Amino acid sequence: GAVVSQHPSRVICKSGTSVKIECRSLDFQATTMFWYRQFPKKSLMLMATSNEGSKATYEQGVEKDKFLINHASLTLSTLTVTSAHPEDSSFYICSARYTSYEQYFGPGTRLTVT
Amino acid sequence: DQQVKQNSPSLSVQEGRISILNCDYTNSMFDYFLWYKKYPAEGPTFLISISSIKDKNEDGRFTVFLNKSAKHLSLHIVPSQPGDSAVCFCAASVYGKLTFGQGTILTVHP
Repeated sequence: GAVVSQHPSRVICKSGTSVKIECRSLDFQATTMFWYRQFPKKSLMLMATSNEGSKATYEQGVEKDKFLINHASLTLSTLTVTSAHPEDSSFYICSARYTSYEQYFGPGTRLTVT
Repeated sequence: DQQVKQNSPSLSVQEGRISILNCDYTNSMFDYFLWYKKYPAEGPTFLISISSIKDKNEDGRFTVFLNKSAKHLSLHIVPSQPGDSAVCFCAASVYGKLTFGQGTILTVHP
């Protein structure tokens, strides 16, 4: 299957700082990428859809000013958690759309805000 | 409002036997259904999928059944292997956006 990478795999930051997470499709171009978060023992929740060259679309309840998404190229989308707080601590996973129905997922990023 | 539900939080099966994982959904707009397995601190890995216009799809040890009238799908794994042990998620797609169930912890005992 296609490969999607995320960087960093884990990050610890202090409350009030910003953290950027990168998602890359390594062997295919993705006009659409998705960002999810997963709380412990919970399901994956879609946060936003990242479209190359245009603004991201956010799911209900997700603050677009807090979770900044940039999809500047066909292989890279970034999620920036601004002014992070402990409640933002979570497992963030991206996926890249391969076909209309197929998505390949990255390995995830564990964010811990202290 | 949980549109995709997996009501069994866990399933334990003997190696070689059949694993049956169930999933219910409420949104009739879903047009594609997928099953993933996931390990802690990793991204989901695709297992099998089915279009809403079909009622069965088979791929090796994995078979997915879809009952649209009941808004129910199931994943059959036979024979189950210890390597199948993971959290299994069903997901439903509309316009390419996925909604995940809560997951079922599958444990296959040797």
